[in-house]
This record gives sequence, structure tokens and C-alpha cells, in this order.
Amino acid sequence: EAQVTQNPRYLITVTGKKLTVTCSQNMNHEYMSWYRQDPGLGLRQIYYSMNVEVTDKGDVPEGYKVSRKEKRNFPLILESPSPNQTSLYFCASRHLVVGIGGSGANVLTFGAGSRLTVL
Amino acid sequence: QKEVEQDPGPLSVPEGAIVSLNCTYSNSAFQYFMWYRQYSRKGPELLMYTYSSGNKEDGRFTAQVDKSSKYISLFIRDSQPSDSATYLCAMSGGYSSASKIIFGSGTRLSIRP
Repeated sequence: EAQVTQNPRYLITVTGKKLTVTCSQNMNHEYMSWYRQDPGLGLRQIYYSMNVEVTDKGDVPEGYKVSRKEKRNFPLILESPSPNQTSLYFCASRHLVVGIGGSGANVLTFGAGSRLTVL
Repeated sequence: QKEVEQDPGPLSVPEGAIVSLNCTYSNSAFQYFMWYRQYSRKGPELLMYTYSSGNKEDGRFTAQVDKSSKYISLFIRDSQPSDSATYLCAMSGGYSSASKIIFGSGTRLSIRP
């Protein structure tokens, strides 16, 4: 089954304790990204990667790091978590669906989400 | 002002009703429009996508784009309790790898049996 798997699904931690959220996809997609979802703010992109060893900042990268050493994995690292990073996090991979006459879309496949609480 | 505005709801309608969900946007460069559905405790999943203006139908769902008004809609006919979810609109200016996808904040929909 084509899927994006992220772990852990739920995590409670304390300020300053480093943590990593793992993400893995089995669809051989080049593009992967991380989002956070907060009430009233919707999905905001944290970091994205267009291919192995190529990463770039999204809209809200402060306090986060990523790495892309192999195509299938894209971990999100919080070096020193703070309470304002309490959120619901989604990893996604992306591929292009091309239709007729120029139609199409970049389709995002999301993981099930990781709910992080920083005390 | 946000690039994409979406009424957060919640919207509650009886089973069988026609539902209309809407987004407005400010960036005239957007050409690709998508609707994602997100069930509770799940990640968003793509429901429909359209290109430029016009309508697209898929079963009980119809996506409509009016670029002149910068307004997109998703209609659900014969709504079912299983349609209860949060619906997010999304849009981009192109479909290259570099194209950024902007999401609305989502509308929470509840279908009452």
C-alpha cells in the first residue's frame, strides 16, 4: 500500500529535550515536506526537500531542522523544543498528476500526523 | 491578509442536504485548485483537483472555480454522515516541483443523520 509513515503519533516532552519525528514514504517520490497544523492557521510548511541532499526552508522553519540522506526518509528534528512548537505535524510526499490540456495537480500524500506537546 | 481565506465553520447540515464549501483567494497567479478532506485523527487526502476556471464533477462532488471572482467552491450532493470531516482548499500557480501549494485553514463539516 502506498503510504507515508510517521512516528511517533503522539509525544509529550519538556522544553529543551531534543526530539526527532521520523517520516518514511514507499512511493519513490522525490519531493517531501513537513507541515504543522494549528487551529485557525491551517497547514503551514516548515521545510521541504526536492530530492536527496536538497532541502529548503518553508514558511515557518525557525526551531526545526531536517535532513534527506535517502529518498524514502525525511526526519524532522527539534533541537531544543519550546512550548510554541506544540502542534500537529504532518509529513507529506508529493508527485505530479498530469491530465489533459494542461490540467493536473501536484498531489500531496500525507502521513497520519504526529501530535506533539511541549511542556 | 491571507492569500487563501476559508470559513472555519463548523457547518452542520442534515443528511441528504446539498453542502457548499467555499474559498476566496487574492493571488491571480493561482491556476491549480484542489480540495482535501481530513477525517479526525488522520492526515488530509486529496478529494478533487481542477485547472483554471470551470466545473469538475466526481460522483456526488462538484468542484467549481471562478477565476474572475477569485472564488472556488466544493458542492456535495446527497450528503452522508461519512462526509463529516474538515475540508481544506489548496491552490498553486503551477505544477512544477518548485510550485508552492497554499492551503486554506479548513472548514469543519458535520452531517447529522
